[in-house]
Amino acid sequence: KAGVTQTPRYLIKTRGQQVTLSCSPISGHRSVSWYQQTPGQGLQFLFEYFSETQRNKGNFPGRFSGRQFSNSRSEMNVSTLELGDSALYLCASSLRGNSYNSPLHFGNGTRLTVT
Amino acid sequence: GQQLNQSPQSMFIQEGEDVSMNCTSSSIFNTWLWYKQDPGEGPVLLIALYKAGELTSNGRLTAQFGITRKDSFLNISASIPSDVGIYFCAGPPRTSSNTGKLIFGQGTTLQVKP
Repeated sequence: KAGVTQTPRYLIKTRGQQVTLSCSPISGHRSVSWYQQTPGQGLQFLFEYFSETQRNKGNFPGRFSGRQFSNSRSEMNVSTLELGDSALYLCASSLRGNSYNSPLHFGNGTRLTVT
Repeated sequence: GQQLNQSPQSMFIQEGEDVSMNCTSSSIFNTWLWYKQDPGEGPVLLIALYKAGELTSNGRLTAQFGITRKDSFLNISASIPSDVGIYFCAGPPRTSSNTGKLIFGQGTTLQVKP
């Protein structure tokens, strides 16, 4: 079974630009979550989508948004990029969210650098 | 909010040694997950624990869900160079169980000297 696939692996953007990251979950998984990982803050939850609906949201500004398609693939968008948005963005999928026998499986992330 | 505290922050050990690391919280968690992250990659699930007192093994790895539900430990026996990486504990916050939201500890960095 293919794992969680994230594209692109690396991105370099300039302050003020916007960016879209893509995530293909494991086949059959309906929950897709996004996390931001930085050396200072560690792994922080951004949001979760389940059956095309945002089910949960972390404490990030409205510049961070996402969506999920009918095939469970998900995208996240960051508008008006700031230097502090430089991070590894991780996508995780699960059957139905973290629950018994439905743990989260992560992709290898997209490394975003904002200059 | 709920937090997870991992210790130690880092470990430098000799190949062949056993390793123990733990994760504690001031509040109860109903699930404990242990992940390992290699440089440039995403976290990989090692062990998932769902019941207080549960002891689960995965090869040379063993993890336990504390009876109080406020802690968990991960042991690695007979360490090898490929055990190098960052180990994270994680669990769902009380207010968001059965969703994709997890709280992560700050990680334990393991280095193994051949």
